[in-house]
Amino acid sequence: AQSVSQHNHHVILSEAASLELGCNYSYGGTVNLFWYVQYPGQHLQLLLKYFSGDPLVKGIKGFEAEFIKSKFSFNLRKPSVQWSDTAEYFCAVNRYSSASKIIFGSGTRLSIRP
Amino acid sequence: GAGVSQSPRYKVAKRGQDVALRCDPISGHVSLFWYQQALGQGPEFLTYFQNEAQLDKSGLPSDRFFAERPEGSVSTLKIQRTQQEDSAVYLCASSSRTGTGGLSDGYTFGSGTRLTVV
Repeated sequence: AQSVSQHNHHVILSEAASLELGCNYSYGGTVNLFWYVQYPGQHLQLLLKYFSGDPLVKGIKGFEAEFIKSKFSFNLRKPSVQWSDTAEYFCAVNRYSSASKIIFGSGTRLSIRP
Repeated sequence: GAGVSQSPRYKVAKRGQDVALRCDPISGHVSLFWYQQALGQGPEFLTYFQNEAQLDKSGLPSDRFFAERPEGSVSTLKIQRTQQEDSAVYLCASSSRTGTGGLSDGYTFGSGTRLTVV
């Protein structure tokens, strides 16, 4: 069973539109949460992470994500997307009990129309 | 090197053939991971090394899959008697730290080896 769920397989937006990509996980207990991004032809890169503290975390390139523990969610947001945000976005979870292992969702492909 | 290097970049294998995929992590990185990414899916964990010790191999799908990192640097993922379902991109990632420190830094991923079994 998929333990990290990304609701949207492919999202198409116009430049300047607002973005929200959904992510839910099914683990109980303490988790660390991540969003990774893969730009076309490039390797996976860390976009942002949540370990503890303020549930609203800010990452690179104007992205942010909000951890809502009661909903087991960690949605990614950006107020105004750019063409250069075209990429594949992966939500990922580390269970505190599983050392360094990261479990990825299936990814959301984001296409931005110029 | 500047990043995680994987070779070959592409590999086509006939069903039943053995393959070996190589990962050169960033020099000095103690943590090394292998992931398998099937088409349209996210990366799936295969195995984890801390230096030369394989601490977690729970994700290896069958006993046809074997990974090693004998000197704590270069790692090889070997797949014996390849099957069509083994077709995927195999990703290697490394980190200079272990545990929470490594997670916090974010892992450095290689570009992967695309394996196609025909």
